Amino acid sequence: DVKVTQSSRYLVKRTGEKVFLECVQDMDHENMFWYRQDPGLGLRLIYFSYDVKMKEKGDIPEGYSVSREKKERFSLILESASTNQTSMYLCATLDREDNEQYFGPGTRLTVT
Amino acid sequence: AQKITQTQPGMFVQEKEAVTLDCTYDTSDPSYGLFWYKQPSSGEMIFLIYQGSYDQQNATEGRYSLNFQKARKSANLVISASQLGDSAMYFCAMRSMEYGNKLVFGAGTILRVKS
Repeated sequence: DVKVTQSSRYLVKRTGEKVFLECVQDMDHENMFWYRQDPGLGLRLIYFSYDVKMKEKGDIPEGYSVSREKKERFSLILESASTNQTSMYLCATLDREDNEQYFGPGTRLTVT
Repeated sequence: AQKITQTQPGMFVQEKEAVTLDCTYDTSDPSYGLFWYKQPSSGEMIFLIYQGSYDQQNATEGRYSLNFQKARKSANLVISASQLGDSAMYFCAMRSMEYGNKLVFGAGTILRVKS
């Protein structure tokens, strides 16, 4: 079974803090994604990566950056957290053979 | 235009009955894939069913079937014999080259199954 893990299920941070959200997968998938999920908006793509050290902006990259130093790990960084970044963050990988996207359990981030 | 539209914010269904969750999509790409995911209250996203744009038959997976109407650009999810455990948020999603081959999601539909 594909396993996608995220470092925290729940996180509370203060405005202005630097926040790291970690995602690790164990299936050697090249493609990894970070989404945020907000009520009424569904999932929106923040960034994605199709290989080590490669990254592409998604639909809402502002206020975020990412790091992919190793194939299994894709990190989302909030350089200076703001209250409007309070959200559920979901990491995912893509198996290109069966076209299926596998999600992590999500991190619910609250910025106060 | 919205890439993926789910017009039903919430739905109720009686246990053991069938329910249809609506999804319409917009793409000019002839090759695309349509997906449905289930998200229970625990938060994980569970893949349910996939339909390719060139697939001749509607996809089925157990109690889930996808009513694919290509000309109308709709990909409704049908859940037969609803169970209490089907209560969750359901997302329709699409992947096409037009959108950089990334998965694009609808806003979701909350389904509540009543006993």
